[in-house]
Order: sequence, then structure tokens, then C-alpha cells
Amino acid sequence: SSELTQDPAVSVALGQTVRITCQGDSLRSYYASWYQQKPGQAPVLVIYGKNNRPSGIPDRFSGSSSGNTASLTITGAQAEDEADYYCNSRDSSGNHPGVFGTGTKVTVL
Amino acid sequence: QVQLQQWGAGLLKPSETLSLTCAVYGGSFSGYYWSWIRQPPGKGLEWIGEINHSGSTNYNPSLKSRVTISVDTSKNQFSLKLSSVTAADTAVYYCARGTVVVAVDLYYYYMDVWGKGTTVTVSS
Repeated sequence: SSELTQDPAVSVALGQTVRITCQGDSLRSYYASWYQQKPGQAPVLVIYGKNNRPSGIPDRFSGSSSGNTASLTITGAQAEDEADYYCNSRDSSGNHPGVFGTGTKVTVL
Repeated sequence: QVQLQQWGAGLLKPSETLSLTCAVYGGSFSGYYWSWIRQPPGKGLEWIGEINHSGSTNYNPSLKSRVTISVDTSKNQFSLKLSSVTAADTAVYYCARGTVVVAVDLYYYYMDVWGKGTTVTVSS
């Protein structure tokens, strides 16, 4: 299957830690990449590969992967981290080369 | 610093063809997958398809019969055409640069540069 499943919504207290998960068969062949999207803005890459952050992304964002599950962790969540988060991968079978997760709304309380 | 600038018609009637172009500034055109993604109002991201510099394409199976992505390497541009649009094609359309890396254990795939998005509305 080419689907990537995420929890629809999670909440986290300011300064606490939150983990967002992404499940799908394609994650056994490809690391997930993670994107943050705020209202009215284009998505922004926050994590890619094993645990790589693009320049300018705070180190409170980290990624991990095991089997068919990828995780994005925000350690010490800030108010500006409130956003939608999407995972993305490729389907190595070639039937559906690119696929996004269903998205997780993160609310910082 | 690589930038993507996209443009195209924002209002279409049902059955018309959506046409968008994305220009790449400030970086190499080869070695990447140039992608189109869309987002219907209030919904998640949907991957539409991609093309590399040599013209090799991959499409979302659900859209494949209506989608054509092409490239003009002389202008560092790539384009999206989506035929026979309906109201369900109303969305913000983004272009993006994709990279595939072959690592020791797993592959990497990520889209690190995005256009600002173009709102396309299909309405009679």
C-alpha cells in the first residue's frame, strides 16, 4: 500500500515534548521527510533522511524511524510550532512514487 | 539560493485545462525531481507528479489519465497541465524541488524548495 497514516491532531503544553507518528509500508524502504505548514503558507521541510534538519530549522525538531513507522519529535515545543505537519515518502514499488501522510494538527497549549 | 516562481490561470470553467508553470532560479536544474503538489481547501497535501531534467515523469495513479508534466531545460522551467477539470480540482497548487539520495540503509526523499503556491478555482 502507498498510504501514510498520521493521527489527525495532538496537543502539547508549552515547553513540553510531543511526538507525531507516520505509518506506511513505503517507510521500510525510504526515510520519511517531514513538513510544517502554517495557515496560508507553503509547506516547509523540517526533517529529512535519518535525522537531518535543513539550515534554519531549530534543533528541537528531530526524526526517527523503525520498521514501517517514522516519528517527528518536538522537544520543548514553542508557540510558533503550532501548525499542520505532514510526512512524505516514496513508494518503492513504483506504483505511486510520491505520497503524503494524512497530516497532524499540532496545538500548543 | 534556489527559488521557485510559479504562475498560471487562477479561474477555470469545468472541462477546461489547468496550466501552470514553475521557473527555477539560482540553482542547477539537473539531478532533481521537479514536482507538483496540490492542496484542496481545508484538506491535506496531494502529490500530483514529477519530472527530471531529462524528461522522465512519474504521476499519481489517481490523476495519471489527465496529467502531463513537461520540462523546458533551456528556460529552467517545468509545467503542469491537468485536463477536464472539475470543482474537485479546486486547490492551491505548489511546485517543489525533490531530491532522492541512495543511503547505506534506506533511501532518502525530500522536497526542500517550494513555490509560494497558486490558487486555482474551478467554477462555472
